[in-house]
Amino acid sequence: SQTIHQWPATLVQPVGSPLSLECTVEGTSNPNLYWYRQAAGRGLQLLFYSVGIGQISSEVPQNLSASRPQDRQFILSSKKLLLSDSGFYLCAWDGQINYGYTFGSGTRLTVV
Amino acid sequence: GQSLEQPSEVTAVEGAIVQINCTYQTSGFYGLSWYQQHDGGAPTFLSYNALDGLEETGRFSSFLSRSDSYGYLLLQELQMKDSASYFCAVRENQAGTALIFGKGTTLSVSS
Repeated sequence: SQTIHQWPATLVQPVGSPLSLECTVEGTSNPNLYWYRQAAGRGLQLLFYSVGIGQISSEVPQNLSASRPQDRQFILSSKKLLLSDSGFYLCAWDGQINYGYTFGSGTRLTVV
Repeated sequence: GQSLEQPSEVTAVEGAIVQINCTYQTSGFYGLSWYQQHDGGAPTFLSYNALDGLEETGRFSSFLSRSDSYGYLLLQELQMKDSASYFCAVRENQAGTALIFGKGTTLSVSS
């Protein structure tokens, strides 16, 4: 079966520390993958998307980067976190649902 | 620029019908979709409209008018579990480009 995994579920990190969030998809090949961020009570802001290994498109220049080292793996990183990086980070994949996204369960990041 | 406008909040009672509107302004249009997000959870896909008209899925229906750059989500026979945030989203191009989401509408259903 096709599933999307995202971890960790929650994370509390100090300002200036690094970040690595991982998203993996099972049961499919060459998926389109997306990272979104949602601030508390707000909409979803697209951060990065990838249509294949090593192919990353950035939508918002900021303190974050993304990589796709393997076909079904998408990683969101930061070298030094800022307070403004706090939020709910969601990985998504389009392919399981016709014209729709399947989201991972999300990572709630609090930078302190 | 790109923008999707939807009301920030809607309230209703159990058993009622509610309509959540969405107007969009994007550089391209390849379909309007709707997502539901319960508090603390991830969004889940509800419906998709590529062509004008009404799509029905159980208690939920979604409508699109491309000439008006407008769509809506209709929720019938409201239940308490329908209390959630609802997002409209537009895909500007074919698969491989990302969805643009509205800021969401918080629906509160009371008994």
